[in-house]
Amino acid sequence: GGIITQTPKFLIGQEGQKLTLKCQQNFNHDTMYWYRQDSGKGLRLIYYSITENDLQKGDLSEGYDASREKKSSFSLTVTSAQKNEMAVFLCASSIMISGNTLYFGEGSRLIVV
Amino acid sequence: QQQVRQSPQSLTVWEGETAILNCSYENSAFDYFPWYWQFPRESPALLIAIRPVSNKKEDGRFTIFFNKREKKLSLHITDSQPGDSATYFCAATNTGNYKYVFGAGTRLKVIA
Repeated sequence: GGIITQTPKFLIGQEGQKLTLKCQQNFNHDTMYWYRQDSGKGLRLIYYSITENDLQKGDLSEGYDASREKKSSFSLTVTSAQKNEMAVFLCASSIMISGNTLYFGEGSRLIVV
Repeated sequence: QQQVRQSPQSLTVWEGETAILNCSYENSAFDYFPWYWQFPRESPALLIAIRPVSNKKEDGRFTIFFNKREKKLSLHITDSQPGDSATYFCAATNTGNYKYVFGAGTRLKVIA
């Protein structure tokens, strides 16, 4: 088995601040994802990376940057935090075959003051 | 554009009843439909999944019924238990595409 570790679990920042969330996985999975989950809503894809050195925009990429530093890690940056962005950010990974299971991390909650 | 829709938004059933969660989609190219469940303060986890080669997929008390013509599927939970209380997400993707589209979820509560 493996694990996905997201840091920090809680990230408090000021409006307009640049904030970064990190994700590490030891599944040796090729593909990694960042999803945003708002209270009572579904998961919306922000960015994903099919393999190391790849970066793809999801449906919600505006206002975010991502970086796949190496196979095991995928970072997400909120370029200018807004109060309406308070949500849980979920990192996930899967093997590089479409139609395979997504494994999720425990989430990072963003709080903007 | 919401490509995957779920209904109802929330559902309450008594222990032992069958809970029916609905999902519909717009993209005919979708060919893999996983259902994820999420317990409070936990992350989503895969529950059961179906590919359109079959109309039904069963795993214990959980069954997916799939109607390709109408672009609809449903998750039936028989003999519902309080431990089944969670939010259920229907998702979709297609071969060669790594993007999973999730519905907004159905919050299920099973009362003992």
